Amino acid sequence: GAVVSQHPSRVICKSGTSVKIECRSLDFQATTMFWYRQFPKKSLMLMATSNEGSKATYEQGVEKDKFLINHASLTLSTLTVTSAHPEDSSFYICSARDPTGGPYNEQFFGPGTRLTVL
Amino acid sequence: AQSVTQLDSHVSVSEGTPVLLRCNYSSSYSPSLFWYVQHPNKGLQLLLKYTSAATLVKGINGFEAEFKKSETSFHLTKPSAHMSDAAEYFCVVIGGGGSYIPTFGRGTSLIVHP
Repeated sequence: GAVVSQHPSRVICKSGTSVKIECRSLDFQATTMFWYRQFPKKSLMLMATSNEGSKATYEQGVEKDKFLINHASLTLSTLTVTSAHPEDSSFYICSARDPTGGPYNEQFFGPGTRLTVL
Repeated sequence: AQSVTQLDSHVSVSEGTPVLLRCNYSSSYSPSLFWYVQHPNKGLQLLLKYTSAATLVKGINGFEAEFKKSETSFHLTKPSAHMSDAAEYFCVVIGGGGSYIPTFGRGTSLIVHP
């Protein structure tokens, strides 16, 4: 199946700094990528839908200026957590949809990024 | 509108016994349904999917699920649990009708005892 990578897999940063997480589709072009946040023992919470060449669509309650999303190419989307604080510590997962499979087909998930803000 | 309900937050079985993870959905259209597995600190791996073809879907690692429209269910089963099956399982629905945003169930933690 299709492969989605994320980098870094784990990052520890100081409060107030910004962190960038990359999501890449390795063997297909993804016009749409999704960013999720997962708290311990919880399900995935959709943060935003990232569309190549246009602005991301954020879910209600997600701060656009806090979580900057850029989808500059068909294989790369980035999530930047700006001025990170300890409450931003979480597991962030991206996914991508292969458009050749149709809009209602499965998403392919990255391995996740564990962010710890000290 | 679409929603998905995983009826059990935890399921505990002994190795070698059958597994049943329950999932009910609601959708205004003909949905696509998926089961994903997540091991600790890992991403999600697709186990199987239903996209309006055969109602009995076979997936990886011996798992299968049956789409029952009359019961709005898509339960996941496996005849014999293995220790390596211990993980978190998510039922996901994409409701159709122009919306391809998935809705996740809360997850079911499968515990396998030796």
